[in-house]
Amino acid sequence: QKEVEQDPGPLSVPEGAIVSLNCTYSNSAFQYFMWYRQYSRKGPELLMYTYSSGNKEDGRFTAQVDKSSKYISLFIRDSQPSDSATYLCAMRKGVSGFQKLVFGTGTRLLVSP
Amino acid sequence: GAGVSQSPSNKVTEKGKDVELRCDPISGHTALYWYRQSLGQGLEFLIYFQGNSAPDKSGLPSDRFSAERTGGSVSTLTIQRTQQEDSAVYLCASSLGGVGETQYFGPGTRLLVL
Repeated sequence: QKEVEQDPGPLSVPEGAIVSLNCTYSNSAFQYFMWYRQYSRKGPELLMYTYSSGNKEDGRFTAQVDKSSKYISLFIRDSQPSDSATYLCAMRKGVSGFQKLVFGTGTRLLVSP
Repeated sequence: GAGVSQSPSNKVTEKGKDVELRCDPISGHTALYWYRQSLGQGLEFLIYFQGNSAPDKSGLPSDRFSAERTGGSVSTLTIQRTQQEDSAVYLCASSLGGVGETQYFGPGTRLLVL
């Protein structure tokens, strides 16, 4: 079983819809949670970064972490065709020293006009 | 400013050949990371450099894989005696240096081993 599970999609929604993207994880040592967006033939870019449980909002994006359920979410409001990309969750442990990022497989999102 | 650059963008090679992939990090970034992205597998950590040393190379899949970094800048990932299962996108990222710093990714090198 992978440490981080993510539905690969594709997830197809109409423009303006609210999108919910999710990851589950198995290692309770993970403390830092990230969402990356990756356009086709490009490298991932960091969208959201959260520490421990709670919500964080940035414009149309909201990241949510529920450590008790080992479940993280990314919500996109008023989705746009330009949001069409693959969204990767990533996480790392909160101990000292270098801790590698562990990524989900990514969910492909398609927003149609 | 300039981001992380990688070369070549695409590489097609024959099984058994050696390949070298290059990464130019953002100027001033002391930390550098290599990842592999295979279809349906997500990003897989390979190696981490801090300056010219590699404190964590635990993700290198076999001894056919090696990496070096010189002058605290450019890094080269070498795959010897390539196998078909090495076909993937190889991504490089750099960060300012602290372990919690944001990693900035390059566009990747798409490797196809025939």
